[in-house]
Amino acid sequence: GQSLEQPSEVTAVEGAIVQINCTYQTSGFYGLSWYQQHDGGAPTFLSYNALDGLEETGRFSSFLSRSDSYGYLLLQELQMKDSASYFCALLNSGGYQKVTFGTGTKLQVIP
Amino acid sequence: NAGVTQTPKFQVLKTGQSMTLQCAQDMNHNSMYWYRQDPGMGLRLIYYSASEGTTDKGEVPNGYNVSRLNKREFSLRLESAAPSQTSVYFCASPGQGRSYEQYFGPGTRLTVT
Repeated sequence: GQSLEQPSEVTAVEGAIVQINCTYQTSGFYGLSWYQQHDGGAPTFLSYNALDGLEETGRFSSFLSRSDSYGYLLLQELQMKDSASYFCALLNSGGYQKVTFGTGTKLQVIP
Repeated sequence: NAGVTQTPKFQVLKTGQSMTLQCAQDMNHNSMYWYRQDPGMGLRLIYYSASEGTTDKGEVPNGYNVSRLNKREFSLRLESAAPSQTSVYFCASPGQGRSYEQYFGPGTRLTVT
């Protein structure tokens, strides 16, 4: 099976940089995605890492290390609107391509 | 282009009642999914449909049934609601060839008393 672990909460200061970690156990996967979800809203896709290394999308970057079973989402120049929950998700290999989500990290950005 | 739509947005049921959650997508995608989200547990897959006419169980299918009515519509039915089914339900559809990028509907907030 698949399992993903994330810290439940993170607090960071506006304008700073924050890293949200994700460790996983899996029998096989194609890549790691990240989603953002504001309170009361739906998850929205942020980024995807199929290969090891860093992917950059504006203020957000995502990293994957298959050898360490580890990934992270890096948010730079934090803004108040970045306060939300962030989920990592594995795209499973073998059979139909289902996605397994982590339990999420609630990020609070403070002034 | 509305993406993924869901109805209703909110629902309160009594134990034992039945209801159907509706989902539609206008992106011409083949796959559609139903998830439930509970506090501290992330999103868990209930059922999915790889294409019109096919459905398969996900991680937590007990107590639910689904119908893939056509390419656009995928409904989730609770035959006899239980308090344990109190949750937020999301329908999602991934991009063609991009299963890692899922488009979610706005969700249905269901309370079973």
